[in-house]
Amino acid sequence: AQSVTQLGSHVSVSEGALVLLRCNYSSSVPPYLFWYVQYPNQGLQLLLKYTSAATLVKGINGFEAEFKKSETSFHLTKPSAHMSDAAEYFCAVRGNNAGNMLTFGGGTRLMVKP
Amino acid sequence: EAGVTQFPSHSVIEKGQTVTLRCDPISGHDNLYWYRRVMGKEIKFLLHFVKESKQDESGMPNNRFLAERTGGTYSTLKVQPAELEDSGVYFCASSSIPGHYNEQFFGPGTRLTVL
Repeated sequence: AQSVTQLGSHVSVSEGALVLLRCNYSSSVPPYLFWYVQYPNQGLQLLLKYTSAATLVKGINGFEAEFKKSETSFHLTKPSAHMSDAAEYFCAVRGNNAGNMLTFGGGTRLMVKP
Repeated sequence: EAGVTQFPSHSVIEKGQTVTLRCDPISGHDNLYWYRRVMGKEIKFLLHFVKESKQDESGMPNNRFLAERTGGTYSTLKVQPAELEDSGVYFCASSSIPGHYNEQFFGPGTRLTVL
């Protein structure tokens, strides 16, 4: 069975500062990992996904995540926060069954201060 | 191309009443998923359709929940009778193929409040 833990339900950064959102996973098989973002009143949007082709994955809006197998982590980073990055971020792992449902972490709400 | 749509966006009902949520997936997507987020908890899988067939309904909480996808297009999720603990946001997602890397596209969700 898979599980995902996101450390910090709320993270606050200043505009222009580094964004670091933490995600640790547990999986008995090679994981397929995703980061989604939810802006207010919108659905979840895919930021990036780990496909095993490269450990450093680049996504939309300047975000990237690094897969570290030894640490079972897939932390999300952005060098410089923008006000528009304020949203809730979800780390997810996909199951290895035929349907490939997603198992989500609890979410991290990012606040960006001017 | 229209995204995944869900109706209604909000629903407030009293305990014991019935509510039906609707999801329209992206046209041509055979795979349709339902998820739920209860307040303060993580988003959890409910069930998965492939066309009109239920592929996996292991996440359905109990028999008060009934999901259908007649004709393999839109899907409905009925809760009857609703209980207080059913309150939360219900998300629908669709994908064209269920491959490991294939993205699931999510709708905006339906916020259900049971009083």
